[in-house]
Amino acid sequence: AQTVTQSQPEMSVQEAETVTLSCTYDTSESDYYLFWYKQPPSRQMILVIRQEAYKQQNATENRFSVNFQKAAKSFSLKISDSQLGDAAMYFCAYMGYGQNFVFGPGTRLSVLP
Amino acid sequence: DTGVSQDPRHKITKRGQNVTFRCDPISEHNRLYWYRQTLGQGPEFLTYFQNEAQLEKSRLLSDRFSAERPKGSFSTLEIQRTEQGDSAMYLCASTFGGGGPDTQYFGPGTRLTVL
Repeated sequence: AQTVTQSQPEMSVQEAETVTLSCTYDTSESDYYLFWYKQPPSRQMILVIRQEAYKQQNATENRFSVNFQKAAKSFSLKISDSQLGDAAMYFCAYMGYGQNFVFGPGTRLSVLP
Repeated sequence: DTGVSQDPRHKITKRGQNVTFRCDPISEHNRLYWYRQTLGQGPEFLTYFQNEAQLEKSRLLSDRFSAERPKGSFSTLEIQRTEQGDSAMYLCASTFGGGGPDTQYFGPGTRLTVL
């Protein structure tokens, strides 16, 4: 069974600075997708970024980028120019061809003004 | 708004009562998922449908839980004889399943409190 680990329960960053959230996963599959979702307090989960495992190029979405290391089974999220609105729980998720997501326990990100 | 919707948003019930939640997916999405999320944890998979067929169920889904998607559109999740341990956020997500993995779009969730 696949597992996803996020070793940082809480992180904080100064507004306008850069922060990196860590995620590692375990799988025996060769083709899969990885995702970062953001869940603001009392609000619904929204997709931040996704990475297809067959793609070597790291995904980027505006201020959000990933460092995908397939051999190391590592998938970190970098948030540049952090904004107050980035404060949320961030979940790393794995999806293989088994069709359901496996989520990590989450990292709570605080953005300090 | 054409996103995933869930009803009710909050439900408070007494132990032993039955509750039913509804999820309306994005209209063109043929796959629908249910997850359970407890405070401070990531969502845990419960079950998923492709059209009206329930294709997978987690061992978390005890026999007190039942889910349906009768016409391949909206879905219901029923919990019978609720227990305090059932208190959680129940999330629904949908995707257009064309083959392999794909992005899931989540609803706002139904927060269940069992007294």
